Amino acid sequence: EAQVTQNPRYLITVTGKKLTVTCSQNMNHEYMSWYRQDPGLGLRQIYYSMNVEVTDKGDVPEGYKVSRKEKRNFPLILESPSPNQTSLYFCASSSDGPYSYTFGSGTRLTVV
Amino acid sequence: TQLLEQSPQFLSIQEGENLTVYCNSSSVFSSLQWYRQEPGEGPVLLVTVVTGGEVKKLKRLTFQFGDARKDSSLHITAAQPGDTGLYLCAGARGFGNEKLTFGTGTRLTIIP
Repeated sequence: EAQVTQNPRYLITVTGKKLTVTCSQNMNHEYMSWYRQDPGLGLRQIYYSMNVEVTDKGDVPEGYKVSRKEKRNFPLILESPSPNQTSLYFCASSSDGPYSYTFGSGTRLTVV
Repeated sequence: TQLLEQSPQFLSIQEGENLTVYCNSSSVFSSLQWYRQEPGEGPVLLVTVVTGGEVKKLKRLTFQFGDARKDSSLHITAAQPGDTGLYLCAGARGFGNEKLTFGTGTRLTIIP
């Protein structure tokens, strides 16, 4: 089944403890992206990647890092999480740019 | 600054009624997409429109892209409880800009 898989689905962590949210797609898509979804603010793009080793900032990149060493994986790294990064995170992939994303099921992160 | 404004934010109607959701911007987009999101899941792509004035139909859903490619509408005919969900529009700027910007969404509830 073609899908985008995120792990974990739920995560509670403490301020300052480094964490990684993994994202993997099995569709051989070139484009991948991370979004966060917050009430009243909608989905906001954090980072995106057009291919292996090619990444760029979205609208809210502060406090996040990404890497794209392989085509299928696009992990999101929070080096020192803070409470304002509590949110619902989505990974997405596409074969033709930002035109038809397939989204994962989301990761709900709580930073206390 | 929210580039894409959706209206209404919330809509609750009886089964069988018709409705229209709007997505407006002061910016021009190379394409505009509509997604539906259900609780606990990621957004699912419904349609992509790329030509000014374009109309696409998906069963009881009709999508239109404005002539100037700054706005779009989603019309649902004879709404059913299965149409309940969060409807999101998203615009791609294109022309070398690979970002996809989402609107804040319309939460639709269809009452049986």
